Amino acid sequence: DGGITQSPKYLFRKEGQNVTLSCEQNLNHDAMYWYRQDPGQGLRLIYYSQIVNDFQKGDIAEGYSVSREKKESFPLTVTSAQKNPTAFYLCASSIASSTRRDGYTFGSGTRLTVV
Amino acid sequence: AQSVTQPDIHITVSEGASLELRCNYSYGATPYLFWYVQSPGQGLQLLLKYFSGDTLVQGIKGFEAEFKRSQSSFNLRKPSVHWSDAAEYFCAVGAGTGGFKTIFGAGTRLFVKA
Repeated sequence: DGGITQSPKYLFRKEGQNVTLSCEQNLNHDAMYWYRQDPGQGLRLIYYSQIVNDFQKGDIAEGYSVSREKKESFPLTVTSAQKNPTAFYLCASSIASSTRRDGYTFGSGTRLTVV
Repeated sequence: AQSVTQPDIHITVSEGASLELRCNYSYGATPYLFWYVQSPGQGLQLLLKYFSGDTLVQGIKGFEAEFKRSQSSFNLRKPSVHWSDAAEYFCAVGAGTGGFKTIFGAGTRLFVKA
């Protein structure tokens, strides 16, 4: 069955360390997204990519970086510049031409904790 | 500004009782609206969506939602709640060119009591 795989499920980061969250999909979707979820704040868009080798900043991109070298993969790096990285991170994907109508498919998330 | 408001942070209903979760949106054009559900520690799953046509839409797991343009609302309903419906529910509007910047509400957590 097709879906989105996020790994790891739990990740611990030391102060000043960069960490990379993996997101892989086999749905043949063009567009991919990273959202951050904090209690009581819903989901906030970090980055999105409509096509390979192209991506755009979302509402809270500072302290994060992404790459889109393959259609299937959209890794997120949380850099040391992100001052409050503890959160639940969700990756999603969609068919670019019908995103507005059809919505997203989500992965099961990665919980990042700073120790 | 575009926004989605879910007025209830949490709701508790008895098993077998009916449920209505409220959602209000602010969006300049014709809205594309969604409800997603999230179980603890999991990703979101699409329950239903509205973009045109019949204003009462049916979704999975027995849920339905009604779009009311005059009230800028898209409330989620279920006639009889099951204990397995306990989860967090998010209303969303497809925003930005192509819908690539979907805006989510803050969520409503549903508790079900026996």
